Amino acid sequence: EVQLVDSGGGLVQPGRSLRLSCKNSGSTFGNYALTWVRQAPGKGLEWVAFIRSKTYGETTEYAASVKGRFTISRDDSKGIAYLQMNSLKTEDTAVYYCSRLYYYYFDYWGQGTLVTVSS
Amino acid sequence: QSALTQPRSVSGSPGQSVTISCTGTSSDVGGYNYVSWYQHHPGKTPKLMIYDVSERPSGVPDRFSGSKSGNTASLTISGLQAEDEADYYCCSCTDISTYVFGTGTEVTVL
Repeated sequence: EVQLVDSGGGLVQPGRSLRLSCKNSGSTFGNYALTWVRQAPGKGLEWVAFIRSKTYGETTEYAASVKGRFTISRDDSKGIAYLQMNSLKTEDTAVYYCSRLYYYYFDYWGQGTLVTVSS
Repeated sequence: QSALTQPRSVSGSPGQSVTISCTGTSSDVGGYNYVSWYQHHPGKTPKLMIYDVSERPSGVPDRFSGSKSGNTASLTISGLQAEDEADYYCCSCTDISTYVFGTGTEVTVL
């Protein structure tokens, strides 16, 4: 079974950086694509980024709202995916969830980690 | 990529049926049979309810069903129950290899 645990959230000032982690404690991690989804306070779900498996070159895709500022990566030896967030803006304040992207849907989710961008 | 359009809220009495629409474009919903639906109780983790337009994961009650016509997908909850009260989001892949969620629908059981 896939079990994802998100961590790394916290309070950060605008313009600073933060790195989120998503650790898998279940089955084979390296075979699947992984994604990050966020939910701002009072708003809906927003897809952020995903990274394909090593089989597909670990290539990445990003939402327009974070492209150039966020970087998704993975370390399959540790069973961890990362979301490096640079040049943070107040509008990046949200709960961030990692999820397994299985074919074209998100089937397993982490519990979420809260990022607050504020001065 | 603009969010897919969903009604803000729908409601029904226990036992009734409700349908949530999800309207996109030919670049997302209309172009692919890869629409999925998620149930989200506030403060909890989103849960996959439907994938590939109409497929139901193991463990999801058959009261939940999905369909699609053109650029609009739909989620129907038949025999509405109190525990179905939650927010529901559709999601689709797009023609530029990204994903887009719907605006979300609050389901209220009267």
